[in-house]
Amino acid sequence: KAGVTQTPRYLIKTRGQQVTLSCSPISGHRSVSWYQQTPGQGLQFLFEYFSETQRNKGNFPGRFSGRQFSNSRSEMNVSTLELGDSALYLCASSPRTGGPNTEAFFGQGTRLTVV
Amino acid sequence: DQQVKQNSPSLSVQEGRISILNCDYTNSMFDYFLWYKKYPAEGPTFLISISSIKDKNEDGRFTVFLNKSAKHLSLHIVPSQPGDSAVYFCAASEGSYIPTFGRGTSLIVHP
Repeated sequence: KAGVTQTPRYLIKTRGQQVTLSCSPISGHRSVSWYQQTPGQGLQFLFEYFSETQRNKGNFPGRFSGRQFSNSRSEMNVSTLELGDSALYLCASSPRTGGPNTEAFFGQGTRLTVV
Repeated sequence: DQQVKQNSPSLSVQEGRISILNCDYTNSMFDYFLWYKKYPAEGPTFLISISSIKDKNEDGRFTVFLNKSAKHLSLHIVPSQPGDSAVYFCAASEGSYIPTFGRGTSLIVHP
């Protein structure tokens, strides 16, 4: 079974630009969550999509948005990039069919550098 | 306001000894707790979990202890191996909500 795939792995952007990151979850998983990891801040939750609907949202500004397609693939978009957006962006997939919590499976992440 | 706290940013242990990673939480509604391990340039991988109805869960060298009254959990690794060197994240969730992660503890196991 293929794991969670994130593309691209590395990205360098300039302040003010926008960026789109992509995540393909494990086959059969309908939930995709996005996290931002910065040094000393741990994993900060951005949002979760389930069956093409945003189901949960973290405390990030509106510049951060996402969407999920009918095949469960998800994209995350950041507009008007700031230097502080430089981070590792992680995508996680899980079945999350409404039963007890199950662990999430993470991709390798996209390392975004804003210059 | 951090609901899940890992107060030790780093921990150094000798190979063969016990590693104890600690995690505190503030939300008494959390009922499921997880530990993830992360190597550099890789995404976190699930390690072990525990439900609030238990106080201990064991999986090989890894044991998680939960003390609900103290809102504290710990991960014990016995014996520690150099390959265990990684960042360990504690996470907690309430019902079906998304887990909240701590900031991580970097474990270094010296040969």
